[in-house]
Amino acid sequence: DTAVSQTPKYLVTQMGNDKSIKCEQNLGHDTMYWYKQDSKKFLKIMFSYNNKELIINETVPNRFSPKSPDKAHLNLHINSLELGDSAVYFCASSQVWDHAYEQYFGPGTRLTVT
Amino acid sequence: AQKITQTQPGMFVQEKEAVTLDCTYDTSDPSYGLFWYKQPSSGEMIFLIYQGSYDQQNATEGRYSLNFQKARKSANLVISASQLGDSAMYFCAMREELNYGGSQGNLIFGKGTKLSVKP
Repeated sequence: DTAVSQTPKYLVTQMGNDKSIKCEQNLGHDTMYWYKQDSKKFLKIMFSYNNKELIINETVPNRFSPKSPDKAHLNLHINSLELGDSAVYFCASSQVWDHAYEQYFGPGTRLTVT
Repeated sequence: AQKITQTQPGMFVQEKEAVTLDCTYDTSDPSYGLFWYKQPSSGEMIFLIYQGSYDQQNATEGRYSLNFQKARKSANLVISASQLGDSAMYFCAMREELNYGGSQGNLIFGKGTKLSVKP
């Protein structure tokens, strides 16, 4: 009965490769997010989607491309991986976009680029 | 300028004692929400407690309470009767009203406080 799930949990890959991280929520929420947590534990928003539409696209390289096939899924595809992309990536969801409801996070995906 | 400041990188507390984790925020938006999240060593982010800027009373959830002092722009988390399982990173976060001052309504996190509970 996991509310927000991500796959894979760990991802080790080489520079230059392309990889995807999948996220699904079964909470019926309208809004989904991707966050990046760096090695110093700092969490920063990358993207927000509301009802499958992109709302926020922070200063993220265009090698990162989110895709939302439906309201319950938000996947993150990363092209031409670089060493600096190594981090933990969290997916999250919240009930609606335009109110300050809490966000529920997935378990995170630890990406290591070698 | 930092929107969320957590001045304590690390703290220790004795088991069964209470502990306060500090958080100050910076916004001119009259409508905003404040959140605390816990991140244990296993890595997941766990929502703990929420305080709305217009809420008259301090939020409480079990052993967690939020000491909200609006004029001082502080939103400290108080954990009562600490348990060993409370050892974790704790993050304070704020969400401003959508479209106010250019806000896109996303969560802004502090740098976190690492709490260690001693037996």
